Amino acid sequence: AQSVTQLGSHVSVSEGALVLLRCNYSSSVPPYLFWYVQYPNQGLQLLLKYTTGATLVKGINGFEAEFKKSETSFHLTKPSAHMSDAAEYFCAVTSTGNQFYFGTGTSLTVIP
Amino acid sequence: DTGVSQDPRHKITKRGQNVTFRCDPISEHNRLYWYRQTLGQGPEFLTYFQNEAQLEKSRLLSDRFSAERPKGSFSTLEIQRTEQGDSAMYLCASSQEKGFNEQFFGPGTRLTVL
Repeated sequence: AQSVTQLGSHVSVSEGALVLLRCNYSSSVPPYLFWYVQYPNQGLQLLLKYTTGATLVKGINGFEAEFKKSETSFHLTKPSAHMSDAAEYFCAVTSTGNQFYFGTGTSLTVIP
Repeated sequence: DTGVSQDPRHKITKRGQNVTFRCDPISEHNRLYWYRQTLGQGPEFLTYFQNEAQLEKSRLLSDRFSAERPKGSFSTLEIQRTEQGDSAMYLCASSQEKGFNEQFFGPGTRLTVL
């Protein structure tokens, strides 16, 4: 069985501050991990993914995430928050590439 | 490439009625997925197709839910005898077959059952 836990359903940061969104996964097989962003009234958009290889993954809009097997984590970071980053963020795990298991999401608010 | 489209965007129905949603994937994608998303939750996988074959349907929520993709292009999701608990956003996504490819999501259909 696979699952994802996103700690913190709501995160607020000041514009220009570090963004850290937490994701921990549970998987009995090697996981493949994804971060998606959802803006209001829009579909989910892929930010980045980890499949194999380098554990530090860079995505769009300045986001990156590091796969840490020992900590079963895949936290999302961005050095400097921008107002346009305000959205809902979802972490997801799969082992087959077919069935994706999503977390409950983290709503990011950026304070001017 | 116009992205994944879903129709309708909103549907209000009375309890007990049947509803059908349509999803048009990106044209070169042969995998198509359906998810349900309720308020405050992440997308919940329901089923997926590879071309016209429905390869996983055990996660469909009940036998009132069914999905088809008859020609391997667009897909429909039908809910029979709707219940208030079916109120949710229904998301469709598509992807290419190879590897762990990105799923491209549509904007969703919001269902409200009165």
